[in-house]
Amino acid sequence: EIVMTQSPATLSLSPGERVTLSCRASQSVSSNLAWYQQKPGQAPKLLIYGASTRATGIPARFSGRGSGTEFTLTISTLQSEDFGVYYCQQYNYWPPETFGQGTKVEIK
Amino acid sequence: QVQLVQSGPEVKNPGASVKVSCKTSGYRFNSYGITWVRQAPGQGLEWMGWISPYIGDTKYSQKFQGRLTMTTDTSTSTAYLELRSLEFDDTAIYYCSRDRAPTDYWGQGTLVTVST
Repeated sequence: EIVMTQSPATLSLSPGERVTLSCRASQSVSSNLAWYQQKPGQAPKLLIYGASTRATGIPARFSGRGSGTEFTLTISTLQSEDFGVYYCQQYNYWPPETFGQGTKVEIK
Repeated sequence: QVQLVQSGPEVKNPGASVKVSCKTSGYRFNSYGITWVRQAPGQGLEWMGWISPYIGDTKYSQKFQGRLTMTTDTSTSTAYLELRSLEFDDTAIYYCSRDRAPTDYWGQGTLVTVST
């Protein structure tokens, strides 16, 4: 089973700041990596797939990079509506399609 | 539009079984698999398994082997998750989603509470 490790666990930032979240895989997952945003009481929302392709309707301030074992999600200019928990998920090796433990983004 | 609508909350005793449904609409049911993911209170997302409505093939996380069964009813475009021998740690919100990752079509979630 591929283990996905996200860092940091929590970020507390002000609107307008640049945010970078990290995700590491225990072995190469190529570019088969997705990022999701989840807000309280809601299902996850797909942001990025294929490590760097934005899903439909996702603003350009969200960008993904990486391949192999190291991945990042960057929010170029943090907006107040970007609070939530962000999860990475690999879908290269399955079952299972493992998730990271999440990074909580709090807005100051 | 694509919709996945799940059944309502459940409260079960330890050792019991629960069956959660996921009724789909807005797309051809046989053309996409269904994935089930759960989330314990305050915890992260946990992938449970996947089923193909077309051929009935299933892939389960080894963690749930032996007490998890996923099925589909193509006549009603509905997927089902059955989890047996429930434990307190099975208390979670259970989500269905369309096909394998990456997916942007999710059900609203079903809270299953295991309690005495």
